Amino acid sequence: GAVVSQHPSRVICKSGTSVKIECRSLDFQATTMFWYRQFPKKSLMLMATSNEGSKATYEQGVEKDKFLINHASLTLSTLTVTSAHPEDSSFYICSARPTSGTYEQYFGPGTRLTVT
Amino acid sequence: AQSVSQHNHHVILSEAASLELGCNYSYGGTVNLFWYVQYPGQHLQLLLKYFSGDPLVKGIKGFEAEFIKSKFSFNLRKPSVQWSDTAEYFCAVNALVGGSYIPTFGRGTSLIVHP
Repeated sequence: GAVVSQHPSRVICKSGTSVKIECRSLDFQATTMFWYRQFPKKSLMLMATSNEGSKATYEQGVEKDKFLINHASLTLSTLTVTSAHPEDSSFYICSARPTSGTYEQYFGPGTRLTVT
Repeated sequence: AQSVSQHNHHVILSEAASLELGCNYSYGGTVNLFWYVQYPGQHLQLLLKYFSGDPLVKGIKGFEAEFIKSKFSFNLRKPSVQWSDTAEYFCAVNALVGGSYIPTFGRGTSLIVHP
C-alpha cells in the first residue's frame, strides 16, 4: 500500500515551453502533497505544500507564477513549470501525506526534467 | 526557520561494521522525526519514524534511531551493515508551524558498504 506515482518519469522540453508533472496517490487519499526539487548530491528542497481544494503554500524563493501547482482532488496534484529555462532542469519529486493516519510522507519516483 | 543537519556526508564501511549517522535539528517546538532511505535508482522510502513515546525506535532492516530531546538529535544506527545497505540516507523533521506540519530534510548521507 501507500504508492505514489509520478508522470512522466523523464521529460525533455525546449526553453520557453511549459511542462506539467502529475503526482498521484494510488491507494490512499492525500489532503496534502509536497513538491520537492532534488539537486545532484544534495538534499531535497521543499518547493511548495499543496493542499486539496486550496492554494499551494510556496517556500521562500520559489516563484509561484513559474511553478504552478494544482491539487484538484484527494489523489492528484500537478506541477506545471511555465516558460521553462535550462536552469529549471532538475529532478522533481512529489510526496503525499495520507489524509488519515500519521504524518509520514510517501514519495513518488521523481521526474527528470531537462530543458534544452 | 527549522533546519536539519546531517554531519556525515559520505560514509564508507565494510560489511559487518557498525553504523551511526548523526542528525541534529533546530526547532524548539513539537516535531516528528524521520529517516528515509534512497537506494540506487529507487525512490525515497521510510526507514523509521518517531512521533512520541519510547525515544528508541526500531525500523525496517535492523535500523534503529534514538531521539534525544535535550540534544535535538535523532541519530540512526545499525549494529552490522550489509552491502545492500548502500544508499543515500536522509533525516527529516516535521515541525508544527501554524497548525501544519512542515517537512525539512537534511542534505543526506551517502553510505557505501564494501562486501
